[in-house]
Amino acid sequence: AQSVTQLDSQVPVFEEAPVELRCNYSSSVSVYLFWYVQYPNQGLQLLLKYLSGSTLVKGINGFEAEFNKSQTSFHLRKPSVHISDTAEYFCAVRAGNNRKLIWGLGTSLAVNP
Amino acid sequence: GAGVSQTPSNKVTEKGKYVELRCDPISGHTALYWYRQSLGQGPEFLIYFQGTGAADDSGLPNDRFFAVRPEGSVSTLKIQRTERGDSAVYLCASSSGLAGADTQYFGPGTRLTVL
Repeated sequence: AQSVTQLDSQVPVFEEAPVELRCNYSSSVSVYLFWYVQYPNQGLQLLLKYLSGSTLVKGINGFEAEFNKSQTSFHLRKPSVHISDTAEYFCAVRAGNNRKLIWGLGTSLAVNP
Repeated sequence: GAGVSQTPSNKVTEKGKYVELRCDPISGHTALYWYRQSLGQGPEFLIYFQGTGAADDSGLPNDRFFAVRPEGSVSTLKIQRTERGDSAVYLCASSSGLAGADTQYFGPGTRLTVL
């Protein structure tokens, strides 16, 4: 079975500071990895995904993530955050030919002025 | 519309009642998914359709939950004899269904409250 652990439930940060949201997964088969963002009162939106190839993946709104197979991690980063980045961020994994997404509990990013 | 739509946006019902939640996927998407998100949790998989058939219903919690997609487009999630523990946001997603890691696009969800 697969599982996803988001190590931080809440991350407060000041505007223009860098941020890293951590995600670790466990799986006995190959995986596809995703980060979704949920803005207040909105639906889930895909930020970025890792399928194969380059381990550094760039997404929307200046976010990027790095797949580290040996550490089974897929941490999300942004070099300089904005107030508008305040949202809930979810890491998810799909394993092999299985279609369902397995999700972490989410990390609440609060960007303060 | 261009995205996944779900109706109603909010549903309040009483314990023991029957409810139906509707999902309209993105046009042309053959795969459709239902998830449930409880407060403070990540989404939890319920069921996945490829076309008209349920390809994976392993996430349905019990036989009170049932979903259909009779024409391979719109899907309805049906919950019988609702319980207070069924209160959650029910999310629908669709994808192209092509091989590989096709992206799941989510609707805004239906917030179900069971009193």
